[in-house]
Amino acid sequence: EAGVAQSPRYKIIEKRQSVAFWCNPISGHATLYWYQQILGQGPKLLIQFQNNGVVDDSQLPKDRFSAERLKGVDSTLKIQPAKLEDSAVYLCASSLDPLTGAEAFFGQGTRLTVV
Amino acid sequence: GDSVTQMEGPVTLSEEAFLTINCTYTATGYPSLFWYVQYPGEGLQLLLKATKADDKGSNKGFEATYRKETTSFHLEKGSVQVSDSAVYFCALSDDNDMRFGAGTRLTVKP
Repeated sequence: EAGVAQSPRYKIIEKRQSVAFWCNPISGHATLYWYQQILGQGPKLLIQFQNNGVVDDSQLPKDRFSAERLKGVDSTLKIQPAKLEDSAVYLCASSLDPLTGAEAFFGQGTRLTVV
Repeated sequence: GDSVTQMEGPVTLSEEAFLTINCTYTATGYPSLFWYVQYPGEGLQLLLKATKADDKGSNKGFEATYRKETTSFHLEKGSVQVSDSAVYFCALSDDNDMRFGAGTRLTVKP
């Protein structure tokens, strides 16, 4: 079974530039998460999708971050404009149905460095 | 909102020592509880889980029991190995989302 695919693996941009990350979840997983993991901290949930609808985006800085999941499969996360404090690993995860206790499967992440 | 609090690290143990990493949670409902592990240079992967009170999750010699009365899900292993060196994250999942603790870095020395 193929895992969660993310690209790119690494990205370096200057502050105020824009960047986009892509995620392809495991086939059949309706739930998709985007997390931000700053060095030395636990993953922080940015947004959760159920199919193509948003379940929770309460911690997404909506003035600069946006995410979409068209057709309920692939998802993109965008930052525009980036700030220095956005430097982190951005993790995508997917799950069958969290309401049944199904675990989340994580991609390798995209390491973003903002200089 | 729901949250997870983990024992702060780092934790350094000698091989074959007993490990406990504490995890407590706050939740309005009845969440599922997880331990994830992140080995050096690798992504997050599930270590074990428990979906209801008194369930015990176990894998690779690690165990954790879902204690509703103390809202805890402490991770234990009777005899750690050098290969267990990693960062361990406690997490909960409920109706709304999946939230993680800050992580505990474990280093096991030969």
